[in-house]
Amino acid sequence: DQQVKQNSPSLSVQEGRISILNCDYTNSMFDYFLWYKKYPAEGPTFLISISSIKDKNEDGRFTVFLNKSAKHLSLHIVPSQPGDSAVYFCAASITGNQFYFGTGTSLTVIP
Amino acid sequence: ETGVTQTPRHLVMGMTNKKSLKCEQHLGHNAMYWYKQSAKKPLELMFVYNFKEQTENNSVPSRFSPECPNSSHLFLHLHTLQPEDSALYLCASSQDDGYGNEKLFFGSGTQLSVL
Repeated sequence: DQQVKQNSPSLSVQEGRISILNCDYTNSMFDYFLWYKKYPAEGPTFLISISSIKDKNEDGRFTVFLNKSAKHLSLHIVPSQPGDSAVYFCAASITGNQFYFGTGTSLTVIP
Repeated sequence: ETGVTQTPRHLVMGMTNKKSLKCEQHLGHNAMYWYKQSAKKPLELMFVYNFKEQTENNSVPSRFSPECPNSSHLFLHLHTLQPEDSALYLCASSQDDGYGNEKLFFGSGTQLSVL
């Protein structure tokens, strides 16, 4: 059973607008959450993370929100740029090195 | 070189071939991983090595055989694979940030096709 789910396989956003990518999880023991970005023919690259003791973490144009009661996290990108077009994976872990990944959301930012 | 380097980038092999995937990390990390990415599926963890010792084998068929000679190098030996093993194989490394949290750093992957 998949413990981390990204229910939107794709998302299109106009350049300059906000992109919101969503992720749901089922295991309440997860205490660390990460977002990765993947371009074609490349490995995923780390984007931003959040610990379960926080509900928000911001890094430049990227903000991750965590709602533990809903077991939901989201990644906000604002303003969106064409170079943000990629596949975004969310991942969750229980302290240590067991990571559970979602299936990814393909973001297209339209110039 | 920096980061995590994987070779080859692409590999086509027959079901009777034996080949090896190589991974090298230049980050000084203690843990190394093999992941499999198939189309429309989440990344699947295959193996984890901590300080050269295998700590996780996620029910991977024996036709996949990992080897970790030191904390910087990781191999995945392949033999008698099946067409359904065609996928992107990703190597990663990680290190505890001091708070019990780890971040994975991935290589570019090997796109494997089994004919």
